[in-house]
Amino acid sequence: GAVVSQHPSWVICKSGTSVKIECRSLDFQATTMFWYRQFPKQSLMLMATSNEGSKATYEQGVEKDKFLINHASLTLSTLTVTSAHPEDSSFYICSAYSLAGSSYNEQFFGPGTRLTVL
Amino acid sequence: SQQGEEDPQALSIQEGENATMNCSYKTSINNLQWYRQNSGRGLVHLILIRSNEREKHSGRLRVTLDTSKKSSSLLITASRAADTASYFCATDEDTGFQKLVFGTGTRLLVSP
Repeated sequence: GAVVSQHPSWVICKSGTSVKIECRSLDFQATTMFWYRQFPKQSLMLMATSNEGSKATYEQGVEKDKFLINHASLTLSTLTVTSAHPEDSSFYICSAYSLAGSSYNEQFFGPGTRLTVL
Repeated sequence: SQQGEEDPQALSIQEGENATMNCSYKTSINNLQWYRQNSGRGLVHLILIRSNEREKHSGRLRVTLDTSKKSSSLLITASRAADTASYFCATDEDTGFQKLVFGTGTRLLVSP
């Protein structure tokens, strides 16, 4: 199956700093990528949808100025958590969707990035 | 999007027993998928069932879908300790947009 990577796999930062998380589709072109956030023992909540070459679409309640998303190419989307605070500590997971191949909504998930803000 | 619900929230069984978890959702769907997540890891896709299907099998997995009740079940037969994980259903809302809405999840513990 298609492979999606995330970097870094974990990061610890001080409050007030910005953190960038990369999501890459390694062997296919992803026209759309999704960013999810997962708090401990909870489910995945969609934060935003990222389309290559256009602005991201954010879910209700997600601050677009705090969570900057850039989908500059068909294989890379980045999520930047700006001025991170302890409440932003979470597990961030991306997924990539490919138009080619499957006829249904097949999303391929990255392994996740654990963000801890001190 | 409104999240679906799964029950039970947690399930503890012995190896060899069957595990059944249920998922309810709120909107019309194109398909429903089940995923597994080991602690602190990414998601593993298990099985997809389309809205016009009622039952699907894959190895030790059996999924049912009842669109009239907006519900699905995942049955894992002859469970193994390695099946210990969280299981999530995810629906593809019938909006023409490829968003997935995840259920609340079931934490399964299989003891040797």
